[in-house]
Amino acid sequence: DTGVSQNPRHKITKRGQNVTFRCDPISEHNRLYWYRQTLGQGPEFLTYFQNEAQLEKSRLLSDRFSAERPKGSFSTLEIQRTEQGDSAMYLCASSLDGGRSYEQYFGPGTRLTVT
Amino acid sequence: GENVEQHPSTLSVQEGDSAVIKCTYSDSASNYFPWYKQELGKRPQLIIDIRSNVGEKKDQRIAVTLNKTAKHFSLHITETQPEDSAVYFCAASYWVKLVFGAGTILRVKS
Repeated sequence: DTGVSQNPRHKITKRGQNVTFRCDPISEHNRLYWYRQTLGQGPEFLTYFQNEAQLEKSRLLSDRFSAERPKGSFSTLEIQRTEQGDSAMYLCASSLDGGRSYEQYFGPGTRLTVT
Repeated sequence: GENVEQHPSTLSVQEGDSAVIKCTYSDSASNYFPWYKQELGKRPQLIIDIRSNVGEKKDQRIAVTLNKTAKHFSLHITETQPEDSAVYFCAASYWVKLVFGAGTILRVKS
């Protein structure tokens, strides 16, 4: 499968714990995005990277959230001191800067449940 | 502000009929409008998109129309089939990111 992959697919954690998710984009894509999706809603933008540079962060991304893309390939999203309101599907997407740079392709998501 | 409204929230059609989903956006600077299909428990899949320099685009049974003056765009599915049943999301670009509508649950009854 050469599409966007995410791990883990499911994560159950207790309130107050830290969690980390990983996203592997399509190999030639240099833009990587994180979105959050709650039940019955469309994905909401969290942040994006152009290569290893994090260029935009949503106001939704509190200081408990941090994302990295150290070598411009895979990315990690960490949530510290999780809260029940963090329960959601975390989606990663990637795109190629250039002629078709608008097209974003999504991974299967990581479903986080905070108990 | 950045906002995309999508209607209707649910849509039931008989197999073979057409389905139309409509979206409006707020920022006239938006220039890219994709549509995604999401089946239960699966990733959103890009099914068709349109850029601001085009008024209509068609791909087999699906088509998208764009009215930049009114800030409206629509998805049209003809000859619907049971496998078209899913949640459909419209989105509008705001610089690099996408802002999504709340989704339309489409049910195709056979």
